[in-house]
Amino acid sequence: AQTVTQSQPEMSVQEAETVTLSCTYDTSENNYYLFWYKQPPSRQMILVIRQEAYKQQNATENRFSVNFQKAAKSFSLKISDSQLGDTAMYFCAFMNGDYGGSQGNLIFGKGTKLSVKP
Amino acid sequence: KAGVTQTPRYLIKTRGQQVTLSCSPISGHRSVSWYQQTPGQGLQFLFEYFSETQRNKGNFPGRFSGRQFSNSRSEMNVSTLELGDSALYLCASSLGDLRSSYNSPLHFGNGTRLTVT
Repeated sequence: AQTVTQSQPEMSVQEAETVTLSCTYDTSENNYYLFWYKQPPSRQMILVIRQEAYKQQNATENRFSVNFQKAAKSFSLKISDSQLGDTAMYFCAFMNGDYGGSQGNLIFGKGTKLSVKP
Repeated sequence: KAGVTQTPRYLIKTRGQQVTLSCSPISGHRSVSWYQQTPGQGLQFLFEYFSETQRNKGNFPGRFSGRQFSNSRSEMNVSTLELGDSALYLCASSLGDLRSSYNSPLHFGNGTRLTVT
C-alpha cells in the first residue's frame, strides 16, 4: 500500500524568506501523480502544485516549486518570498495513475502547519 | 461559477444516531469524492462517485455510505454514530473522475464539522 509521510508537523518562516516542506512517499508503482494542497484557516483546500511521475522537470507555479526526486521518493515544496497569506496547513498527496490499479484514491500525508511571521 | 457547497456547516449528534451530509459540486463536475479529516488520522479518503456510480471506497466501515444523484449532487450517510466519527468531512468535485484529476484538479468545499457526543 502506498504511504505518504510529512515529517514536519509545524514550521514557521519570516515573511519574504524561503521555506521548504518535505514529503516522502512509498510506492511500487511507476505511474503516479503527486500533489501539494493548501488548507488555510478558512478550511477550503486548494491545489498548490502537481507533478507527474514521468516528468523529470520539477513543476513550478509562481513562488511555489517542487524538488521531485523519484529515486529517493521525495517530493518537497519550496515557497519563495513567503507571504502572510501562505499561512496554512500543507498536505502532500499521492495518486496511483494506472487505471485498474488497486487504489484509485488520493492518499494524503498528515500535513505540515506553516506559519508565516511578519 | 459557484464553488463546491457543503451543508450543513456544523452538526451535533449523539452516539447511535445517523447523519446525512450534502455536497453540491461545481456545475458541470461529474465526480464527487468525500474525505474525513481528524487531528489524529489526518485526511482520509472515504469514497468517490462519478456519474451516480461509486468508483472507489476507502478503508471505512459499512456504516459510511453515500450516493450521487443525476444532477451530480452527493450525499454521505453515517449510521450508528460513534464518538470517533467526530471530524471535519470534506467533499471535492472535479470534471473527470478522481484518477484524471491531475488534468482536472479537485475543488474542495468548506466542509461539515460533525461532533458526536
